[in-house]
Amino acid sequence: AQSVTQLDSQVPVFEEAPVELRCNYSSSVSVYLFWYVQYPNQGLQLLLKYLSGSTLVESINGFEAEFNKSQTSFHLRKPSVHISDTAEYFCAVRAPELIFGTGTRLQVFP
Amino acid sequence: DAGVTQSPTHLIKTRGQQVTLRCSPKSGHDTVSWYQQALGQGPQFIFQYYEEEERQRGNFPDRFSGHQFPNYSSELNVNALLLGDSALYLCASTNWGGAGNEQFFGPGTRLTVL
Repeated sequence: AQSVTQLDSQVPVFEEAPVELRCNYSSSVSVYLFWYVQYPNQGLQLLLKYLSGSTLVESINGFEAEFNKSQTSFHLRKPSVHISDTAEYFCAVRAPELIFGTGTRLQVFP
Repeated sequence: DAGVTQSPTHLIKTRGQQVTLRCSPKSGHDTVSWYQQALGQGPQFIFQYYEEEERQRGNFPDRFSGHQFPNYSSELNVNALLLGDSALYLCASTNWGGAGNEQFFGPGTRLTVL
């Protein structure tokens, strides 16, 4: 069975600092990996996805994630965070239904 | 484009009651999935509907049932409510086929069982 582990439940960071949210997956077949963001009292929004091809995928708002098959990881990074990035971030694998991790709360402080 | 819409926004029920949640998919989508998100947890897959049939089901008891209508909208029904059913219920829509197709999520229905 496929699974996703998000290693940090909370990540506090100051504005303009870099951040990495860690995600490891377990799968014996080809994987499709996703990062979703959930702002307070809202549904989930797709941030970025890896299906195939380049192992580095980027979002329109400066986030990027790298698919690492040997380490079974799909960590999310941003070189400089903004207050508005404060949200819950979920890593997910397609199984074919989406299997989500438990989430990482990113808190950006001024 | 209205995106995925869900109703109601909030709902309070008591143990043993039954509840129906509704979802309208994003325009052009034909597949609807339902997820349960307990407080502090990631969403858990309940089931998926396509062509008015349940195509996949997660590890949820038969108390959870659903329906999809010809216009692709969907309902989630939960019978004999338990305190543990309190959660945010999310609906997501997409197009059938294509594992990489994006699922668009609605804002959710917050169910509280007292």
